[in-house]
Amino acid sequence: QVQLQQWGAGLVKPSETLSLTCAVFGGPFRGHFWTWVRQPPGKGLEWIGEINYDGAANYNPSLKSRVTISRDMSKNQLSLKLTSVTAADTAVYYCARGIAVDNWGQGTLVTVSS
Amino acid sequence: ENVLTQSPGTLSLSPGERGILSCRASQSVSGNYLAWYQQKPGQAPRLLIYGASSRAAGAPDRFSGSASGTDFTLTISRLETEDVGVYYCQQYGNSPRTFGQGTKVEIK
Repeated sequence: QVQLQQWGAGLVKPSETLSLTCAVFGGPFRGHFWTWVRQPPGKGLEWIGEINYDGAANYNPSLKSRVTISRDMSKNQLSLKLTSVTAADTAVYYCARGIAVDNWGQGTLVTVSS
Repeated sequence: ENVLTQSPGTLSLSPGERGILSCRASQSVSGNYLAWYQQKPGQAPRLLIYGASSRAAGAPDRFSGSASGTDFTLTISRLETEDVGVYYCQQYGNSPRTFGQGTKVEIK
């Protein structure tokens, strides 16, 4: 059974960089798309971006100038960096497998506040 | 981007009733690559349907999906109390991938 375990700072100051990491256990890392999705408190889901089989990343245009998704195949890990955060970036962030997502991380609440 | 509009906003049903959730895309969805997810409070979403009509592994067979042009439907054949939650559609045929705003299913 594939498990995605994610971690990172839960509190980030405005204008700083949000960083999250997601480790994949119990299943292959290679051969899958990997995705990040976020959900502001009480609101719906927003696609942040994905990284494909070849390591090419694809981002939501609304975030493209601030977001980087990367992977470390040697560690079976996925990472997300979002720069210049504001309160509008406060959300639960999920790492996930696939583009029709069949496995999700547990979610990390990131609050942007001074 | 392909905007997905879900209706109704809230669906109130009695156990055993049939429920129909709608998702309308603003443009065609390539390959009918549309998924449905169920999300319960405090949990990550769960994939129910992919490719508009294929049931995901472990999804109960009371859930089914269909497509007609840019209109997609998720049907719950007989509502069970455990089905309460918010349901989201997502298209993944075009970039950027987009989600609908969700339909809340509650017990009447």
